Amino acid sequence: AQTVTQSQPEMSVQEAETVTLSCTYDTSESNYYLFWYKQPPSRQMILVIRQEAYKQQNATENRFSVNFQKAAKSFSLKISDSQLGDTAMYFCAFMKPSGGSYIPTFGRGTSLIVHP
Amino acid sequence: DVKVTQSSRYLVKRTGEKVFLECVQDMDHENMFWYRQDPGLGLRLIYFSYDVKMKEKGDIPEGYSVSREKKERFSLILESASTNQTSMYLCASSSPTLSGAGGYEQYFGPGTRLTVT
Repeated sequence: AQTVTQSQPEMSVQEAETVTLSCTYDTSESNYYLFWYKQPPSRQMILVIRQEAYKQQNATENRFSVNFQKAAKSFSLKISDSQLGDTAMYFCAFMKPSGGSYIPTFGRGTSLIVHP
Repeated sequence: DVKVTQSSRYLVKRTGEKVFLECVQDMDHENMFWYRQDPGLGLRLIYFSYDVKMKEKGDIPEGYSVSREKKERFSLILESASTNQTSMYLCASSSPTLSGAGGYEQYFGPGTRLTVT
């Protein structure tokens, strides 16, 4: 079974600073995808960033970047220049191939609060 | 933009009632998912569907069933609601990206907060 571990239930950061959220996963698969999703308070879950396991280059999306260490099965999210709107629950997700699709497993989430 | 809608934002039901949660997506996605979200437990997959009339059990299917008669609609059914099914229910859909790189990004609905009393 696949497991996804987010070891930081809660984190806080000052506006404009950098914060890193950790995620580790356990799998025997070689082909899979990793995602970070964001769920702002009382709002819909949205994708932050995606990483394909076969790609060595770390994904980046504006202020968001990942540190993907495949051998260590680690997939951390770095948020640079934190903004108040980054306050949210962040979920790490692992997706493995199954049949004609990919099956997701989510971590338990990290609650991030950005302070002014 | 992809839109995933859920029939209710808030729902209150009594123990033993049959409950239907509806989810509709407008982007012709093949895959649809039902999760429940509980504090400290993250998202747990209840059921998913690859295509019309197809369904697969997720990690916590007990007490739930699903129906997918049309591609755009995926229903979650609680045959006899119990208090331990009080939770936030999230629907999502996905499809390979247009670039062909796959990835199956999930698009989520706003959620239904179900309270069973």
